[in-house]
Amino acid sequence: QQPVQSPQAVILREGEDAVINCSSSKALYSVHWYRQKHGEAPVFLMILLKGGEQKGHEKISASFNEKKQQSSLYLTASQLSYSGTYFCGTDGGATNKLIFGTGTLLAVQP
Amino acid sequence: NAGVTQTPKFQVLKTGQSMTLQCAQDMNHEYMSWYRQDPGMGLRLIHYSVGAGITDQGEVPNGYNVSRSTTEDFPLRLLSAAPSQTSVYFCASGSSGVYNEQFFGPGTRLTVL
Repeated sequence: QQPVQSPQAVILREGEDAVINCSSSKALYSVHWYRQKHGEAPVFLMILLKGGEQKGHEKISASFNEKKQQSSLYLTASQLSYSGTYFCGTDGGATNKLIFGTGTLLAVQP
Repeated sequence: NAGVTQTPKFQVLKTGQSMTLQCAQDMNHEYMSWYRQDPGMGLRLIHYSVGAGITDQGEVPNGYNVSRSTTEDFPLRLLSAAPSQTSVYFCASGSSGVYNEQFFGPGTRLTVL
């Protein structure tokens, strides 16, 4: 079952902050975050593991609440380049079977 | 490194035709997968493989076949194309390690008439 993302869309001005949430009905081993620009392939941003470890880009931060099966992606001081659709992907058991949410469209305006 | 490559970039089929979407990676990744992307539906997993000779079904496997005879290649076969298979198809690969970030190919845009 696909994880649920919220909000579905958000519009920001440059310099504003945003939070994108991802919630699963199943226990999670890891959560991935990807960004996709229009007409392009998704690009990896961050992975968060059960137990607290994480790996990703320096300017991106995220959290993973294992008990609540939720993750949040924090975008601070947004730039025009942050525009795109953000997807979370969940893995229930280190199986490499990554299931993605339906995405959050982020538009950053000057 | 070319990364993940997909061919063709665009394809138009008639209902009932068959075809194979090609995917190759040169990063020696064990894990490869196929996703389809439709408006409002996000990325849905069709099939995946954790190594040569090993494949498994994802969320939406019906109408598609895969095989993995080598580490590098993971073709996706449409047996009898239907208009419902009109979509953008992405292939991805990743290592089998703990930090298994996925690398996506550029995608194939398929239209079935």
